[in-house]
Amino acid sequence: QQQVKQSPQSLIVQKGGIPIINCAYENTAFDYFPWYQQFPGKGPALLIAIRPDVSEKKEGRFTISFNKSAKQFSLHIMDSQPGDSATYFCAASIGTSGANNLFFGTGTRLTVIP
Amino acid sequence: KAGVTQTPRYLIKTRGQQVTLSCSPISGHRSVSWYQQTPGQGLQFLFEYFSETQRNKGNFPGRFSGRQFSNSRSEMNVSTLELGDSALYLCASSVGHTSEAFFGQGTRLTVV
Repeated sequence: QQQVKQSPQSLIVQKGGIPIINCAYENTAFDYFPWYQQFPGKGPALLIAIRPDVSEKKEGRFTISFNKSAKQFSLHIMDSQPGDSATYFCAASIGTSGANNLFFGTGTRLTVIP
Repeated sequence: KAGVTQTPRYLIKTRGQQVTLSCSPISGHRSVSWYQQTPGQGLQFLFEYFSETQRNKGNFPGRFSGRQFSNSRSEMNVSTLELGDSALYLCASSVGHTSEAFFGQGTRLTVV
């Protein structure tokens, strides 16, 4: 059973566009929601993370929107660039902000066309 | 500062064999977590070690085991390999289990 559901599976946008990746969860005990970026041949790298007491968090061009009542959270990438082309994973965990027992979404392959 | 180092990068094993993968965390990091990444199942948590003790374990059979040494280096072992064990095995290290974690590049295991 997939604890964190992620969509879409793939996404193609033009440079400067704002791709949006969505995730949903069922377990209300989750209290840490990170997003990871993975390039081919590399391990995932933490992009940005949020806790459920905050509805939005912004770091550079990356923004997480969090809707606790709907049990959904999403990643927005402002002014997307070709260098942002990668696979993005949302994740969730309980009682930790490290890599311990993270439940990952299935990933979204983003392609930004120049 | 050196990142998380996983060795070997690539490995080919025969069904029924066993394999040991190694992870050297960032200096000063005491927590090491292991993940299996496959196209079908995505990223799945295997286990986490902190100060040589397994603190958490995912839903994998007992053929998957690990350990951590006093210098925080960790190994994971898979016995009686099955074709379905073919995957990218990733480890991540952090100072503690509540601090940001950094992933290594992984070990690509192919079971034939």
